[in-house]
Amino acid sequence: NAGVTQTPKFQVLKTGQSMTLQCAQDMNHEYMSWYRQDPGMGLRLIHYSVGAGITDQGEVPNGYNVSRSTTEDFPLRLLSAAPSQTSVYFCASSYRATRLSGNTIYFGEGSWLTVV
Amino acid sequence: DAKTTQPPSMDCAEGRAANLPCNHSTISGNEYVYWYRQIHSQGPQYIIHGLKNNETNEMASLIITEDRKSSTLILPHATLRDTAVYYCIVLSGSARQLTFGSGTQLTVLP
Repeated sequence: NAGVTQTPKFQVLKTGQSMTLQCAQDMNHEYMSWYRQDPGMGLRLIHYSVGAGITDQGEVPNGYNVSRSTTEDFPLRLLSAAPSQTSVYFCASSYRATRLSGNTIYFGEGSWLTVV
Repeated sequence: DAKTTQPPSMDCAEGRAANLPCNHSTISGNEYVYWYRQIHSQGPQYIIHGLKNNETNEMASLIITEDRKSSTLILPHATLRDTAVYYCIVLSGSARQLTFGSGTQLTVLP
């Protein structure tokens, strides 16, 4: 998990609150992405970015916003938290965005979010 | 991306080699085979990837059959810390994400 830093590690939110999960990498990676993992389930892609100023939706984008103003940072914003967004969130990055396959994709340690 | 099939669980004795199989019979020519593991809800940890040839690094070896329809991840001397869920993933050139299946729960026994 070298070089991908997520903050905070744990967070409890009330329904309707907003917050931002931070993700930073210091490896000059083009590609960054956010996944969520619900208990006993696999990871699902929320949003991804192939470079500064370029983002796109993944499999489960509703309720989340992203932006990529710098190469290093890719924050994930929860606009109005709902209990269904209780999950573990993982950020991932890779050097080449034009061809993900063949490159190493690194994950952060995760952010545990509980919405009550 | 091609679908992968892995056994849901496997046991291995500590110090022995762990051989984790993966079937990917629909893999196409430009798709890579990746292996990740996840230890108790930590972030997925990259292990190894390959296209055609066998690959080895400090963590593991990846053996891909000649027809590329299956592969085996080998942990040469398993330790208790290798207990984890292991995911075999096939990634195409146009992919924008890793698609995680249910993986294999490897339990290393003392």
